[in-house]
Amino acid sequence: QSALTQPPSASGSPGQSVTISCTGTSSDVGGYNYVSWYQQLPGKGPKLLIYEVSERPSGVPDRFSGSKSGDTASLTVSGLQAEDEADYYCGSYAGSNNWVFGGGTKLTVL
Amino acid sequence: QVQLVESGGGVVQPGRSLRLSCAASGITFSSHGMHWVRQAPGKGLEWVAVIWHDGGNKYYAESVRGRCTISRDNSKNTLYLQMNSLRADDTAVYYCVREAQLGTYAFDIWGQGAVVTVSS
Repeated sequence: QSALTQPPSASGSPGQSVTISCTGTSSDVGGYNYVSWYQQLPGKGPKLLIYEVSERPSGVPDRFSGSKSGDTASLTVSGLQAEDEADYYCGSYAGSNNWVFGGGTKLTVL
Repeated sequence: QVQLVESGGGVVQPGRSLRLSCAASGITFSSHGMHWVRQAPGKGLEWVAVIWHDGGNKYYAESVRGRCTISRDNSKNTLYLQMNSLRADDTAVYYCVREAQLGTYAFDIWGQGAVVTVSS
């Protein structure tokens, strides 16, 4: 199973919005509404931000939102804050009890 | 306090074996599928294996199938990963991960990770 494709880096100034893409295939992202997004701070385990494409767990700010079109999912971070600087990973169910992740995107707050 | 704590990592020679453990606390361990996810140095996340809540079914990534065995002891709230015939490309941080509520196919609780280094 090939990894999902994410841009290696993204950036934005405080208060701006930034969108991170995650491209898969019809066998994973395009085939299921089970895309999730994770935030990883340096030296920490990932934290769930979005599940089922656009659902937020309790406690996750509504500045984080998710969407999907075809084989590409997107995470948008609105009102960027310095604390949002981290690595972001997408993940998707790929059928037959398999999961796949993206290569990660390093978000820099300028 | 909700937490997953991995142990058993270390430096091991190629071809040898290692068993990781993950102790769960503050969660209803026996109600959730549990996974292992790994992250090679400077790389992205890679799903490794899943075991259903009752241990009845187990599935593996192609990269570890036949060399790794996932298991759990619900009476001890503990998850395991037995890794055999280790290779250099198995070097990674191994995370114990809880699958969120049934049907979400997402991972809502992560451990801090166990470092496994395969080197001669």
